[in-house]
Amino acid sequence: GAVVSQHPSRVICKSGTSVKIECRSLDFQATTMFWYRQFPKQSLMLMATSNEGSKATYEQGVEKDKFLINHASLTLSTLTVTSAHPEDSSFYICSARDVGPSGGDTDTQYFGPGTRLTVL
Amino acid sequence: DAKTTQPPSMDCAEGRAANLPCNHSTISGNEYVYWYRQIHSQGPQYIIHGLKNNETNEMASLIITEDRKSSTLILPHATLRDTAVYYCIVRVASTASKLTFGTGTRLQVTL
Repeated sequence: GAVVSQHPSRVICKSGTSVKIECRSLDFQATTMFWYRQFPKQSLMLMATSNEGSKATYEQGVEKDKFLINHASLTLSTLTVTSAHPEDSSFYICSARDVGPSGGDTDTQYFGPGTRLTVL
Repeated sequence: DAKTTQPPSMDCAEGRAANLPCNHSTISGNEYVYWYRQIHSQGPQYIIHGLKNNETNEMASLIITEDRKSSTLILPHATLRDTAVYYCIVRVASTASKLTFGTGTRLQVTL
């Protein structure tokens, strides 16, 4: 299957600082990437949909000015958590949409390994 | 996208087949059934998806009932490494539609 990487895998930062997380599709081009957040013992919650070359679409309740998303190329999307606070501590996971070699109508999302953010 | 219902937890002995059910009684004709799993502290892993025919790959088999209102994911020979939360998700595949994760089934494979 397609491979998606994330960097860093783990980050600890002080309250008030900004943290950037990178998501890369390694062996396919992804016009669409997604960012999720997962709190302990909970399921994944979609934060935003990132489309290459255009503005991200945020889910209801997610602050776009706090979670900045950039999708400047077909293989890279970044999530920046600005002015992070302890309540932003979570497991952040990205996924990339692979439409397949023929560009058919069955696409599959492949997920990165996740980034654990701890804000002190 | 249609809602899915899964049992919260299941146990399976190592080496035996694990059969994970999913109910999706409100599925529409253009919605696919996707299965993902999440091993603790990792990102979800794609397993398999299907529309109406049964599907098999190197990881698992997907059996979809004729009326498409339910499906079963089969891990033919479960190992300890298959212990994870398994998510059944229904979505339209022809657009960049969202994956909405429910609570899934926590499969515990035991010796």
